[in-house]
Amino acid sequence: AQTVTQSQPEMSVQEAETVTLSCTYDTSESDYYLFWYKQPPSRQMILVIRQEAYKQQNATENRFSVNFQKAAKSFSLKISDSQLGDAAMYFCAYSPGAGSYQLTFGKGTKLSVIP
Amino acid sequence: GAVVSQHPSRVICKSGTSVKIECRSLDFQATTMFWYRQFPKQSLMLMATSNEGSKATYEQGVEKDKFLINHASLTLSTLTVTSAHPEDSSFYICSARLTDSYNEQFFGPGTRLTVL
Repeated sequence: AQTVTQSQPEMSVQEAETVTLSCTYDTSESDYYLFWYKQPPSRQMILVIRQEAYKQQNATENRFSVNFQKAAKSFSLKISDSQLGDAAMYFCAYSPGAGSYQLTFGKGTKLSVIP
Repeated sequence: GAVVSQHPSRVICKSGTSVKIECRSLDFQATTMFWYRQFPKQSLMLMATSNEGSKATYEQGVEKDKFLINHASLTLSTLTVTSAHPEDSSFYICSARLTDSYNEQFFGPGTRLTVL
């Protein structure tokens, strides 16, 4: 079974600074997808960024980027120029390749942004 | 695009009653929907996978007779908590998969269930 580990229960960052959230996963598959979801206090899950395992290039979405290390099974999220609105729970998630669409979530990292 | 709604957003019921939660994909068809449960300060736990026109697949430890799931159309899945008890109080979240969407799931806003 796949597992997703987020080793940082809580993190904090100064506004405008950069923070990196860690995620590791365990799988025997070669084709899969990885995601970072954000859950603000409203509890609405919002997709931040996704990465296809077959792509070597790291995904980027504006201030959000990932460092995907397939061999190490590591998938960290970097948030640049942190904003107050970035404060939320961040969940790393894994989904197998074709044929199964389930998401396995990590336990989450609570990010606080200090003004 | 890819909006998922849930209704109701909050519900309070008496112990022993049944509660139905609806999950709708508003602007796309979803052959597969998922139901999660989230306890305070915890992650999402997958309860079941709902496929249109077929029986739901429940995760280990989830009582299928307790949590009835119906996916009668490509835009609607319902979760009915039968004979609810206080321990069923939780935050329930649904999601829908957009076909050919790199396995991405779009989430509803969640339903807070409180059983008295």
